[in-house]
Amino acid sequence: AQSVSQHNHHVILSEAASLELGCNYSYGGTVNLFWYVQYPGQHLQLLLKYFSGDPLVKGIKGFEAEFIKSKFSFNLRKPSVQWSDTAEYFCAVTTGGSYIPTFGRGTSLIVHP
Amino acid sequence: DTAVSQTPKYLVTQMGNDKSIKCEQNLGHDTMYWYKQDSKKFLKIMFSYNNKELIINETVPNRFSPKSPDKAHLNLHINSLELGDSAVYFCASSPSMYSNQPQHFGDGTRLSIL
Repeated sequence: AQSVSQHNHHVILSEAASLELGCNYSYGGTVNLFWYVQYPGQHLQLLLKYFSGDPLVKGIKGFEAEFIKSKFSFNLRKPSVQWSDTAEYFCAVTTGGSYIPTFGRGTSLIVHP
Repeated sequence: DTAVSQTPKYLVTQMGNDKSIKCEQNLGHDTMYWYKQDSKKFLKIMFSYNNKELIINETVPNRFSPKSPDKAHLNLHINSLELGDSAVYFCASSPSMYSNQPQHFGDGTRLSIL
């Protein structure tokens, strides 16, 4: 079965700092990758997804993620964070055999104004 | 309009009690899910229903019984609550379990067992 690792459990940044959140998965076949965000008191919502094609994926609110197959990674980036980016970020993967996603444990991002 | 709504948002109860959490989606999706998010924030699938039929039942104690009266609703009933059941429970839906479309989540139900 596939698994997803998010190594950064808690990240604290100041506004305008650059962000990179790590996500690694363990599955050797075809994967589909997602980043979800959960703002305080709200539900999880999709930030971006990768199915195929250009490995650099643009999402909402200036986020992007890069799929590096050789590293089994799908790191999330943003060049300049804002206070409103404070949230939990979840990486998820589905594989060819199942469309039920496996989630990482999440990364808590706090951005200080 | 809330796409996936769950009630209640908070549930505080004592060990041994029986409680239910309701979930409804107005997106016309075929597939619904229940996830448990523990204190370490792990999101783990519990159940998945496709058009009212149970598809996935992970290793969840049989004290947990999902019920889907129609494809827009997936309720979760829990018998004989235990301390370890304290968690946030998320309902989600997706257009189909046979497609890779992302899931839509409810706001979660925070269950606390005293």
